[in-house]
This record gives sequence, C-alpha cells and structure tokens, in this order.
Amino acid sequence: NAGVTQTPKFQVLKTGQSMTLQCAQDMNHNSMYWYRQDPGMGLRLIYYSASEGTTDKGEVPNGYNVSRLNKREFSLRLESAAPSQTSVYFCASSDILGIVSYEQYFGPGTRLTVT
Amino acid sequence: DQQVKQNSPSLSVQEGRISILNCDYTNSMFDYFLWYKKYPAEGPTFLISISSIKDKNEDGRFTVFLNKSAKHLSLHIVPSQPGDSAVYFCAASYSNDYKLSFGAGTTVTVRA
Repeated sequence: NAGVTQTPKFQVLKTGQSMTLQCAQDMNHNSMYWYRQDPGMGLRLIYYSASEGTTDKGEVPNGYNVSRLNKREFSLRLESAAPSQTSVYFCASSDILGIVSYEQYFGPGTRLTVT
Repeated sequence: DQQVKQNSPSLSVQEGRISILNCDYTNSMFDYFLWYKKYPAEGPTFLISISSIKDKNEDGRFTVFLNKSAKHLSLHIVPSQPGDSAVYFCAASYSNDYKLSFGAGTTVTVRA
C-alpha cells in the first residue's frame, strides 16, 4: 500500500516551459488536493477535486490547471512556468467521513525550481 | 489573509521537557482542527485532531487544547523526544467543507 505517490521528485524548468506533476493514490479516496509550500507561508491550496469528475479552485489557482483523470489520479499542469512558481508541491487525498475526520494523507512532494 | 496563524516560527526544548505549540484562528466558522508533523523532504503526516465540541483531546504524549472563546488552540508534547524535531502545522476546517487552512508552521528542535 503506497499511499500517495508523486512524480517527479525534483524538477528544474526555464521560464515559459510547461510541465505536469503527477499524483496517484491507492486508498480509494474520493477527494484529492494540490498544495504549494513556501517559506513562512505554510501550505496553500491550489486546486482540489471533491470527487471524480469535479475540480475547483483553491486559494492560489492562477497559473495552474488540473485534471482528475480517474479516481486514483490527479495531475497539476503549469502551462508557462514563472519564477514565482518555484516551490514544493504536495498532493493529498482524503475520504470524507462526515464530521469524524478531515484527515488528509500527503505525498512526499515535488521540489520545483523555475529559473 | 491567513485565517490560521502560528506566530512562533521556531521552538527549542530540552529532551524530556514539555513542548507547547500555539495556534490562533480568525474564522469563527472553523469547527475542526488538526495538527500535522513534517520531516524534511517528506510530506506532512497527521498527528492529532480536535472537534469544536471538545476542549481537549489526548493521544499518548500529544494533547491538543481548544479555547473557542479565544479562538486559540495549543499542542502539548510531553515528554519531548529527539524524534519530535520537525515542523508542526496547525490546520482548520468547518462542517460541510473539507478544505483545510494551514498555518505557517513551527519548527521544533529537541536538544539532547
């Protein structure tokens, strides 16, 4: 049981290049999320998918797009990378259990540098 | 504007002593709170949570206290161990919304 996996682990892009970050979970969770972590800012939600077939913007969606490919996979795309997108990106998943738990399970992260 | 604030970026504590991490929130609709722990080069992992219907939740060495009137929660780690050295994030959510709002994190260093 791998939990949440992310690829790649590291990536360096030049300004204007595009790339897709991949995320997959094997816990049969309904909801998936993309966050970015910057120093002094904590984790900020970029996009989320409440269930297969739906996606919604989070706190910082500009410059990103997402695809919920199926229940397992949720990808994040940077169409034209900018230095401001240099960050560590985390994917997470969760299964809503009413009000009992909002626990999210995180992947190991992708460290992206845009030069 | 950050709705969840951790005003202490770092905390250093001696092994065996108590670590107290603080978190404040501004959104009175939040009714579920979580603490996550993060080691370098790894993703955050869930540590402990508390619902707004309680004021305390305990799990082994970890206890979370919630003061709703002050919009404040704290995490107590007793006794602190070297393996507790990590970044701790406070997070909050509210009913019918499963998104989490995170604080900026507190780096805990446990000294031998």
